[in-house]
Amino acid sequence: DTGVSQNPRHKITKRGQNVTFRCDPISEHNRLYWYRQTLGQGPEFLTYFQNEAQLEKSRLLSDRFSAERPKGSFSTLEIQRTEQGDSAMYLCASSLTATGVPPLHFGNGTRLTVT
Amino acid sequence: AQKITQTQPGMFVQEKEAVTLDCTYDTSDQSYGLFWYKQPSSGEMIFLIYQGSYDEQNATEGRYSLNFQKARKSANLVISASQLGDSAMYFCAMRVWDTGNQFYFGTGTSLTVIP
Repeated sequence: DTGVSQNPRHKITKRGQNVTFRCDPISEHNRLYWYRQTLGQGPEFLTYFQNEAQLEKSRLLSDRFSAERPKGSFSTLEIQRTEQGDSAMYLCASSLTATGVPPLHFGNGTRLTVT
Repeated sequence: AQKITQTQPGMFVQEKEAVTLDCTYDTSDQSYGLFWYKQPSSGEMIFLIYQGSYDEQNATEGRYSLNFQKARKSANLVISASQLGDSAMYFCAMRVWDTGNQFYFGTGTSLTVIP
């Protein structure tokens, strides 16, 4: 169990540029979540995959945001035409589908700064 | 609508003392789970403890215990024998089974342990 891995750890980009983040979940976890966290706030749900299917998307996920999880393994989150308001920590988490209540296991996040 | 409220932006506790972090939640669903996560300054979210809505006994995990009062819709985290390494942000979260797989997070409480 190597944990959830996110790359890059930090990304600085100019407004209007596109950025892509990657998340590698814990290998046996079939659920994968993306959250966004701004300073002084708790994580806000963006989207969720079960295997390769994107099952839920938040209203926060505008048309500029797209997430994929090809083959049900790693996931990418792309932000097109970045805006300063996109500056935040982007957290990926994974969990098992199981009876009971499997917790989320988070990665260390990707901190995005849009200048 | 689901909501988590943490009313203590910051808390201080003397080393080796116990501290209670407050969390109230709002849901009309009967089946839900409550979670506590710790986020050190390094950024990773660490799962601490879980309580199911049907669990009759309060959850405990080492020095962490969850004071679950269902009628009051509160799920306070108690940390006993505080250590310097407990200094971090603490987030309360809820997942409701019948309304998808989102985890809803509060705004967090910053705990500082004083030597």
